[in-house]
Amino acid sequence: AQKITQTQPGMFVQEKEAVTLDCTYDTSDQSYGLFWYKQPSSGEMIFLIYQGSYDEQNATEGRYSLNFQKARKSANLVISASQLGDSAMYFCAMREGWGGGFKTIFGAGTRLFVKA
Amino acid sequence: DADVTQTPRNRITKTGKRIMLECSQTKGHDRMYWYRQDPGLGLRLIYYSFDVKDINKGEISDGYSVSRQAQAKFSLSLESAIPNQTALYFCATRDHSGGRDTQYFGPGTRLTVL
Repeated sequence: AQKITQTQPGMFVQEKEAVTLDCTYDTSDQSYGLFWYKQPSSGEMIFLIYQGSYDEQNATEGRYSLNFQKARKSANLVISASQLGDSAMYFCAMREGWGGGFKTIFGAGTRLFVKA
Repeated sequence: DADVTQTPRNRITKTGKRIMLECSQTKGHDRMYWYRQDPGLGLRLIYYSFDVKDINKGEISDGYSVSRQAQAKFSLSLESAIPNQTALYFCATRDHSGGRDTQYFGPGTRLTVL
């Protein structure tokens, strides 16, 4: 079964508008972490935001926020005020537990296109 | 200077050849990882290492081997490359100190096996 599911292969958003990228996860661990990464066309992986399973507040980093709904097992990324430079692939990822190597499982990604 | 570097950045090789991809980091992190990325599949873990004496297989380790020569260096080898190993390979380190958990990725190595 898929551990991380990103159901939107591609998304379009108008510049300056907000966009939500969906991510659902599956785990039986109580302690886990959720991440979002950005991969521009140049190929590098850029860390955006982290949410721990015990964090009560939704994580925010500048224009990025993570809408964490634990009961629904969702960790959607919200980008406010989209910019042309936000056009990229976005990956949701999960680390299960604190032991066992801190292995991280990645979703298949969502490609975001920002229109001028 | 980049904190996590990978060499080479691009490599084209032939089936059956032995290939080594190298990774170095200046971040002082104990944990290092090798991933491969294929279109539509995200990143998949090949091997990971907690320290020089600790090497662990990931989900797709067949056909690969690794060497942790020092805290700062983690190499990935393809003993006999095959075309389906054509992919983008990433090395990463991990910082899990002070309640944080962040992976830092190298720029990637694009490998083509003909």
